[in-house]
Amino acid sequence: KQEVTQIPAALSVPEGENLVLNCSFTDSAIYNLQWFRQDPGKGLTSLLLIQSSQREQTSGRLNASLDKSSGRSTLYIAASQPGDSATYLCAVKWDSSYKLIFGSGTRLLVRP
Amino acid sequence: SAVISQKPSRDICQRGTSLTIQCQVDSQVTMMFWYRQQPGQSLTLIATANQGSEATYESGFVIDKFPISRPNLTFSTLTVSNMSPEDSSIYLCSVAEPRVAFFGQGTRLTVV
Repeated sequence: KQEVTQIPAALSVPEGENLVLNCSFTDSAIYNLQWFRQDPGKGLTSLLLIQSSQREQTSGRLNASLDKSSGRSTLYIAASQPGDSATYLCAVKWDSSYKLIFGSGTRLLVRP
Repeated sequence: SAVISQKPSRDICQRGTSLTIQCQVDSQVTMMFWYRQQPGQSLTLIATANQGSEATYESGFVIDKFPISRPNLTFSTLTVSNMSPEDSSIYLCSVAEPRVAFFGQGTRLTVV
């Protein structure tokens, strides 16, 4: 069964700290992996997309890596800010049918 | 990137009634997706809506409860029928360009 797991479920850090969010998936034959941000009660904002052939993607203070052999992806946030507080979701697509399987998310709080 | 508009953004409904949620995309897309996010949970795919054919429902979701329309390539509706408090969730519309998935802002439904 294709599943996505995110650890930790919640994280609280002081402002300015660098942090890593983890995503693991069963079945390494993925098509791509996407990281999203969700603010409370809102929709999803796409942060980074990593294709199966890629090892990492970067956007500003965000860096996402992919290790298919170990079934893992990490989202690295540099110099965290209170505005980064949100839930971060990892989603995996295993084929080109567009169906995404989501992890349960990591709820991040960055304290001023 | 696709811009997705969902209506309504939120609603409070009486049990036993039905609510239709609208999803409008600013470009033509082949597939549209409807997700449910129950309180404190991650996203679960309800169904895939293809223009000109019946929607494809995921396990645990049925057409009588969640009828979907897809009259053209930029619009879809999801109806939540005969609602009960257990249907209180955020419902999200999504489209997938060849690689990246985009989401609307969601409809927060509370059933009382």
